[in-house]
Parts: sequence; structure tokens; C-alpha cells
Amino acid sequence: SYVLTQPPSVSVAPGKTARITCGGYNIGNKGVHWFQQKPGQAPVLVISYNSDRPPGIPERFSGSNSGNTATLTISWVEAGDEADYYCQVWDGSSDHYVFGTGTKVTVL
Amino acid sequence: EVQLVESGGGLIQPGGSLRLSCAASGFAVTDNYMTWVRQAPGKGLEWVSIIYSGGTTYYADSVKGRFTISRDNSKNILYLQMNSLRAEDTAIYYCATSIVTPGGADYWGQGTLVTVSS
Repeated sequence: SYVLTQPPSVSVAPGKTARITCGGYNIGNKGVHWFQQKPGQAPVLVISYNSDRPPGIPERFSGSNSGNTATLTISWVEAGDEADYYCQVWDGSSDHYVFGTGTKVTVL
Repeated sequence: EVQLVESGGGLIQPGGSLRLSCAASGFAVTDNYMTWVRQAPGKGLEWVSIIYSGGTTYYADSVKGRFTISRDNSKNILYLQMNSLRAEDTAIYYCATSIVTPGGADYWGQGTLVTVSS
């Protein structure tokens, strides 16, 4: 089965840039979605299909995808960005959606 | 206003059955895909099942043969019939769909907790 690997945690100071990676075999050939989840809340879509930002999501959130790594970038990080972040892809070979292992972003 | 409201969770013994419902408003459950995602306590997100607008369904290996996704178009409700429940099925179950942004699920319910324990 297709596996998506994320770093367990990322720490970043306010105003700096956080980069969260999502590794998977040839992930550059897939459309990657990114979700933000705060404690006790449902996930929120922050990036769709690698780099599309849904309405209401700040421009500080951006995405890229190439080779074996997709990246979610949060610029000018704010305290409110502290959350768990998950990547997701559709694996056509197994007809399954797959979530990454999740990354906890801590704002110092 | 788009809204998804899950119900049907609770405490169930191993081997038992439960049916989750996801009542949709502000759109039709046949408009796009509808999916179930679960999250075990303190764990990450796990995709469970999906039903596309045309009716095609897919399941995670961990639930295939035990869970069935379906929808009632007249009532605008999505269901997840869960049979032969195991302790490892204990989780918050979310329903979700894509309404505005193509691709990723941009609308989620609040979740319903299923606890499988004797």
C-alpha cells in the first residue's frame, strides 16, 4: 500500500516560515491535499491539488509537489497556526485515499 | 448554508453492529463524493470509505467486508453501516465532502464517537 511520511513535529518562531514535507514514491505525479486540525476540531482543508488555496485560507499557506516530496509552506507564521497538519493523496493503484502520518506544528 | 451532522455513535460491544448517519443540508449528497474519515484517540486521520456521485464505492482494507457506505438521496443522508466491530474501530468518525474547492474535502461534520469495548 502507498505510504506518506511526514516529520512528527516542526517548531517555528512567530513571523518565520514553516515547511512541512510529505514523502511518497513519485508523489509528484499525484494531487496532494493538505489539512489543518486543531485540538477537538474537525480537519480544515488548507491546500487542494498541490497548490490550490480554498476560499478563506490565507495566502500565507502555499503548497508545492515534485519528485518524491510534497511541501506545505506557512509563511509569516502566527500563533494561530499551531495545529496538526496532514497530507492526503488518492492512490489509483489501490483505489484508496491515503493520509500522511501527520505533523505537529509548534509556534515557539 | 452547507452543513454535515453525524449521529449514531456510541458504546458497542466487540462483534456488534452500528449505523452512522450524516445528515446533509445546503447541497445534495449526490452532487459530489461523500467520504468517511476516522481518528482513533490520540492518533492521526485514517480514510475509511468513499462514495462518488455516480455511486461507485471504495473502502480501506481495514474495514472492507465489514463496513458499507450508502446514501439515501431522498433524505439527503449518508450512512456507514459497521458490522463485526473491533476494539481498533474505536474512533471519532467524520463525514466530509468537496463542495467549493475541487479535490480535497472542504466541508466536514463535527464527528461522532464510536467506542468498541466490552
